[in-house]
Amino acid sequence: NAGVTQTPKFRVLKTGQSMTLLCAQDMNHEYMYWYRQDPGMGLRLIHYSVGEGTTAKGEVPDGYNVSRLKKQNFLLGLESAAPSQTSVYFCASSYKGFGNQPQHFGDGTRLSIL
Amino acid sequence: ILNVEQSPQSLHVQEGDSTNFTCSFPSSNFYALHWYRWETAKSPEALFVMTLNGDEKKKGRISATLNTKEGYSYLYIKGSQPEDSATYLCASGNAGGTSYGKLTFGQGTILTVHP
Repeated sequence: NAGVTQTPKFRVLKTGQSMTLLCAQDMNHEYMYWYRQDPGMGLRLIHYSVGEGTTAKGEVPDGYNVSRLKKQNFLLGLESAAPSQTSVYFCASSYKGFGNQPQHFGDGTRLSIL
Repeated sequence: ILNVEQSPQSLHVQEGDSTNFTCSFPSSNFYALHWYRWETAKSPEALFVMTLNGDEKKKGRISATLNTKEGYSYLYIKGSQPEDSATYLCASGNAGGTSYGKLTFGQGTILTVHP
């Protein structure tokens, strides 16, 4: 069982470059989330999706865009990377429900912006 | 935005000790409280999801309680083992039409169990 798969696992970018992080889940989950994790801070929600074709802003959406063209995939884009976006990014998914379903996490993508 | 706080930030115990951590969350519009275990170099893994006041959950040596009226949850580990060393995260889910399963995470409690 693959669960939630994130690619790539590591990436180094230069300021101003763009990239896309891919999250794929094989559990037929409706809800998908992108978080960032920084030292001394909890997981912070960037964007989320409640189903194919939907996206919504989370707590820290600035500088990021997302797309959910297929139910199993949730893409996180950085249009013009900034050093403040250096972080570990986690994708998660859940079956559905208003917070009463556990979230399943990927292994994370470590992103460094120079 | 909910404010979820965990204490202590870190904890060192000896193998065999029992220990507990606290998660505090706003009690208004509460819907669900999650506990996750996060081992180094791995991804967070769900331990418990609790929704009802007074709820108690147990998984092996780990258990959790929930008080939604006063806004806190305790996680207990009985007879800690070195393999219990991890960061334990709690997260609160809010009720309301725009909640969509969104969780607000605490900063975590880092547990180190020494042999």
